[in-house]
Amino acid sequence: AQTVTQSQPEMSVQEAETVTLSCTYDTSENNYYLFWYKQPPSRQMILVIRQEAYKQQNATENRFSVNFQKAAKSFSLKISDSQLGDTAMYFCAFNGGNMLTFGGGTRLMVKP
Amino acid sequence: DTEVTQTPKHLVMGMTNKKSLKCEQHMGHRAMYWYKQKAKKPPELMFVYSYEKLSINESVPSRFSPECPNSSLLNLHLHALQPEDSALYLCASSQDLWQGVDGYTFGSGTRLTVV
Repeated sequence: AQTVTQSQPEMSVQEAETVTLSCTYDTSENNYYLFWYKQPPSRQMILVIRQEAYKQQNATENRFSVNFQKAAKSFSLKISDSQLGDTAMYFCAFNGGNMLTFGGGTRLMVKP
Repeated sequence: DTEVTQTPKHLVMGMTNKKSLKCEQHMGHRAMYWYKQKAKKPPELMFVYSYEKLSINESVPSRFSPECPNSSLLNLHLHALQPEDSALYLCASSQDLWQGVDGYTFGSGTRLTVV
């Protein structure tokens, strides 16, 4: 079974600064997909960024980028130029081809 | 249409009531999911439908009864719930159960309160 661990229950960052959220996972699969989802107070889970394990290049989406270390089974999310609208719960998720497994979440607060 | 629509957004029900949650998507996705989410916790998988057939039931109590009338619609029928069933119920869909690359598209959920 796969497990996903987010070791930071809560984090805060000043507006316009950079913050990194950590995620580690455990799997025996070789091909899989990793995701970061954002859940603001509006409740909807929004896909922020995805990474395919067979791609060595780290994914980027505007201000969001990941540091994917396959050997270390690490998948951190970097948010640059943080904005107040980035305040949300962030969930790391793993999909080995059948089911999405979530980490416990990190609550991020962006302070003005 | 790239959305998953859930109704109602909020629901308050008594322990003897019968109610239903509705989820709809028109993206042609063949897999649909029900999740239960407690405050500050990740979503917990309840049911998975693939091609309109129940594929996975994660040992959910029988007071929750899923239904998939067609490929676009997913219902969750509720009966004789307990106060501890109060939670956010999220619906999601994906292109296919075995396709991991696109992730899931989630609805905005139904906030259920059992009194």
